[in-house]
Amino acid sequence: NAGVTQTPKFQVLKTGQSMTLQCAQDMNHEYMSWYRQDPGMGLRLIHYSVGAGITDQGEVPNGYNVSRSTTEDFPLRLLSAAPSQTSVYFCASSYSKGASTDTQYFGPGTRLTVL
Amino acid sequence: ELKVEQNPLFLSMQEGKNYTIYCNYSTTSDRLYWYRQDPGKSLESLFVLLSNGAVKQEGRLMASLDTKARLSTLHITAAVHDLSATYFCAVPMDSNYQLIWGAGTKLIIKP
Repeated sequence: NAGVTQTPKFQVLKTGQSMTLQCAQDMNHEYMSWYRQDPGMGLRLIHYSVGAGITDQGEVPNGYNVSRSTTEDFPLRLLSAAPSQTSVYFCASSYSKGASTDTQYFGPGTRLTVL
Repeated sequence: ELKVEQNPLFLSMQEGKNYTIYCNYSTTSDRLYWYRQDPGKSLESLFVLLSNGAVKQEGRLMASLDTKARLSTLHITAAVHDLSATYFCAVPMDSNYQLIWGAGTKLIIKP
């Protein structure tokens, strides 16, 4: 049971480039989400999904797209990278949306630098 | 707009001492989560507090929730170096399960 996996671990992009951050979970979790973590700001939700085929925006969705074609995978696409997107990105999953005992399981993170 | 505030944001303490981290939030919620993050690592769940008056303990850490005061505390008893980490609290926003996170408390415990 690998839990939540993310690739790549590190990435450097030039302004304007696009890329996809991969996230997969093998726990059959319905709920998946993407966060960015910036120094002194905690985590901010980018997008989330409550099941295959369903996605929604979080706090800071601009510049990012997601899709959820399978329960296992939830990729995050940066459409045209900007220096303001330099951050550490975490993917997380939980068994279901709204269950009061749910805890989120986090992937190891992707450290992205945009030059 | 839901805001979650932690204090202190940075805490350096000696081993063996006790201290408390505070998490205040601005709107009604009956749940609160505490997570731990080691430097350069991912986040792991510590506690899920589900109702007013909830108290949970694991080892030297004890968390409590007062929903009327919109306050949660994370108490550290007789701190040890291994507890050095950043601690985050998070509160769900309405029914869509978006979590709003505090900025984190970086805890350094010196021998």
